Amino acid sequence: AAGVIQSPRHLIKEKRETATLKCYPIPRHDTVYWYQQGPGQDPQFLISFYEKMQSDKGSIPDRFSAQQFSDYHSELNMSSLELGDSALYFCASSRGLDLYEQYFGPGTRLTVT
Amino acid sequence: GDSVTQMEGPVTLSEEAFLTINCTYTATGYPSLFWYVQYPGEGLQLLLKATKADDKGSNKGFEATYRKETTSFHLEKGSVQVSDSAVYFCALSEEGGSNYKLTFGKGTLLTVNP
Repeated sequence: AAGVIQSPRHLIKEKRETATLKCYPIPRHDTVYWYQQGPGQDPQFLISFYEKMQSDKGSIPDRFSAQQFSDYHSELNMSSLELGDSALYFCASSRGLDLYEQYFGPGTRLTVT
Repeated sequence: GDSVTQMEGPVTLSEEAFLTINCTYTATGYPSLFWYVQYPGEGLQLLLKATKADDKGSNKGFEATYRKETTSFHLEKGSVQVSDSAVYFCALSEEGGSNYKLTFGKGTLLTVNP
């Protein structure tokens, strides 16, 4: 079965650079969630989209922005990167506002040097 | 706000031992509860879920019961295997809002030795 696809899987950037992370949800899933997992930490919710509209916002820095496109894929744009942005970034998708299950991608590991 | 507290690890067991990982939650409404598992280098996988009080979620020999009176959702397995070594996250999702973001506990690292 098709799963959530994230690209790239690994990304190395320097401080003050920008990065773009991409998420391709499972076919027919129209809701996307972004989570950030720091080293040894639990995943923290950043932002979500339903039907291409932002549905909720969590602890996402102002330096980050995201959107969901007409084909339901989503991109997380990160500017003025800081060392503390180094983390694993997960995307999850669900069908509609499915309370019961979010399917997670493998994550993008971002390292800021 | 919502929060999840789970027992701190790491937990180290021998194969075939009994496993319990405690999880308690705080929520304003009636959340759904989940256990996710993260194998080394991989993403999060849903292990089991329970959507209302007294529900029991089960999968792959793991089970957890939604206890509203004690606000708990402890994970158990009767006989662990080496392949169960992973990080386990308890999580909740609040019902009734416009989205269903997950709130996670800190995670518990389980290591099972042969």
